[in-house]
Amino acid sequence: EPEVTQTPSHQVTQMGQEVILRCVPISNHLYFYWYRQILGQKVEFLVSFYNNEISEKSEIFDDQFSVERPDGSNFTLKIRSTKLEDSAMYFCASSRDSAGYSNQPQHFGDGTRLSIL
Amino acid sequence: DQQVKQNSPSLSVQEGRISILNCDYTNSMFDYFLWYKKYPAEGPTFLISISSIKDKNEDGRFTVFLNKSAKHLSLHIVPSQPGDSAVYFCAASGYYTGANNLFFGTGTRLTVIP
Repeated sequence: EPEVTQTPSHQVTQMGQEVILRCVPISNHLYFYWYRQILGQKVEFLVSFYNNEISEKSEIFDDQFSVERPDGSNFTLKIRSTKLEDSAMYFCASSRDSAGYSNQPQHFGDGTRLSIL
Repeated sequence: DQQVKQNSPSLSVQEGRISILNCDYTNSMFDYFLWYKKYPAEGPTFLISISSIKDKNEDGRFTVFLNKSAKHLSLHIVPSQPGDSAVYFCAASGYYTGANNLFFGTGTRLTVIP
């Protein structure tokens, strides 16, 4: 069964450094997402991406964050200058179509644990 | 943000019995609901979903019930198996709440006792 893959599984970075988290969505999916889960808290939506542009973003997704689909398979999340509070599990997800418009489920990768020192 | 709530942090059930996991929501604009299962060190795995035009959806051992007037949904697992032991999240989305944004509950840890 096709799956979303994320690399690396664990990233340790010094505060203030840039970090790029990588994802390969399911190949025939059109919508891509990033979520994060801070330890002990809910899974929270960050951003959705469709047709090479951001379709929605949350308040968390400020100017420090950016997303890109640099080629036909990868989808990346960049944090420009990391802060201690960025430490979390970051999940990438993809769906064939929009959840809200077409009732399509989002399928998640296993996540990247980001630790900011 | 308490739009989706799972009030039971944990549930223990004997193997072969029914597991019932509950979820409440506050935003009446939600119209699509999903259940995910999560094992440690893995991402959420999609289990089953239901749109607001239905009140029940079944897939094998898993059935989701939706009560729109009570803003409540539940997941029934029958019969429960030890491999079902995991954390279960409910999630919701809606055309007018941000169509691509899933709102998650805090999860319920299910333990199925052999």
